[in-house]
Amino acid sequence: GAVVSQHPSRVICKSGTSVKIECRSLDFQATTMFWYRQFPKQSLMLMATSNEGSKATYEQGVEKDKFLINHASLTLSTLTVTSAHPEDSSFYICSARDQRGGRGYEQYFGPGTRLTVT
Amino acid sequence: AQSVTQLDSQVPVFEEAPVELRCNYSSSVSVYLFWYVQYPNQGLQLLLKYLSGSTLVESINGFEAEFNKSQTSFHLRKPSVHISDTAEYFCAVSDHGTSYGKLTFGQGTILTVHP
Repeated sequence: GAVVSQHPSRVICKSGTSVKIECRSLDFQATTMFWYRQFPKQSLMLMATSNEGSKATYEQGVEKDKFLINHASLTLSTLTVTSAHPEDSSFYICSARDQRGGRGYEQYFGPGTRLTVT
Repeated sequence: AQSVTQLDSQVPVFEEAPVELRCNYSSSVSVYLFWYVQYPNQGLQLLLKYLSGSTLVESINGFEAEFNKSQTSFHLRKPSVHISDTAEYFCAVSDHGTSYGKLTFGQGTILTVHP
């Protein structure tokens, strides 16, 4: 199968601090990963597309200086929420695109990271 | 640009009853279609997908969905639900173009199966 992990699963931080979330594809290489956020009782909103070895592509309205994305290897992408504020509290989910065997349009999702900013 | 509309935010149903979760999409290009399921505090799991070929696709746990191009729909059905099917279900589309397979999600439908 295609397994994606995220770490940490939950994090509580104080306002003004930065938090890093890791997303790993465990049994496949992913040149493309995606970062989503999900507010309670709402759908997933794409924040950015992370491409290995290049700059991330951010969706309209997402602050690239606040949500730093680094996709340094084919199995790891990180999202850093800088100077976090309570309104950044959310459920962050990553996904990785499995391009093996013609499955290029399938995304496999991590279990999510619950961020709470106090 | 694409959009996805899930017409029902919540669907309550009794165990062993049939269920249909509705999904309509809008796109100017050909699309791939997906249904994902999300259990509480977990990420999304792929339930089934339509990429090409037969318009009726099935999952291993009894769900099926039919791609209807003329009605731009991809409704999810199960003839007999179980308590364990209680979850939130998301319909999503991805275009055939060069957007690296970006997914656009519907608002989600919470399926609650009562005993």
